[in-house]
Amino acid sequence: EAGVAQSPRYKIIEKRQSVAFWCNPISGHATLYWYQQILGQGPKLLIQFQNNGVVDDSQLPKDRFSAERLKGVDSTLKIQPAKLEDSAVYLCASSLDRAGAYGYTFGSGTRLTVV
Amino acid sequence: KQEVTQIPAALSVPEGENLVLNCSFTDSAIYNLQWFRQDPGKGLTSLLLIQSSQREQTSGRLNASLDKSSGRSTLYIAASQPGDSATYLCAVRDMRFGAGTRLTVKP
Repeated sequence: EAGVAQSPRYKIIEKRQSVAFWCNPISGHATLYWYQQILGQGPKLLIQFQNNGVVDDSQLPKDRFSAERLKGVDSTLKIQPAKLEDSAVYLCASSLDRAGAYGYTFGSGTRLTVV
Repeated sequence: KQEVTQIPAALSVPEGENLVLNCSFTDSAIYNLQWFRQDPGKGLTSLLLIQSSQREQTSGRLNASLDKSSGRSTLYIAASQPGDSATYLCAVRDMRFGAGTRLTVKP
């Protein structure tokens, strides 16, 4: 089974620029998560989708971050405008159902550096 | 609000030692608990998944236990090897993570 695909792997941008990340979950996985992982910390949940609906976006900085999963399959996460503190690894994960009864699978992540 | 804590934050042991990593959580209403491994610059690899109705899971040299009533899980690694060096993370309901334990196994 193919894993969770993320692109790009690396991105360097200047502050105030915009950037977008893409995630394609495992086929058939209804739930998709975006995480932000700052160096030395555990992943922080930004947004959780169930199919094409948002379940939890309580920790998403909505003034600059947005995410969508229009057809309930792949998803994009956008930052506009970027700040220096957005430098982090952005991880995408998926699970078969919201409860994660069968576990969760992560992509390799996108490492963002804002200069 | 679910809080997940992992102790210790870092651990360095000689090769061959048995070791225990700890994960505690504040809300016992969890669906399951999952242990992950993260190598530097990489994504997370699932190690063990414990359903809320289970008390432990085993895979090779790894054994994870779950005590919902006390809000704790432990990951036991037997006969540690240098290849076990990584950061170990636990996650609970709705995928809230601890900060991880950074393990170094010295040859």
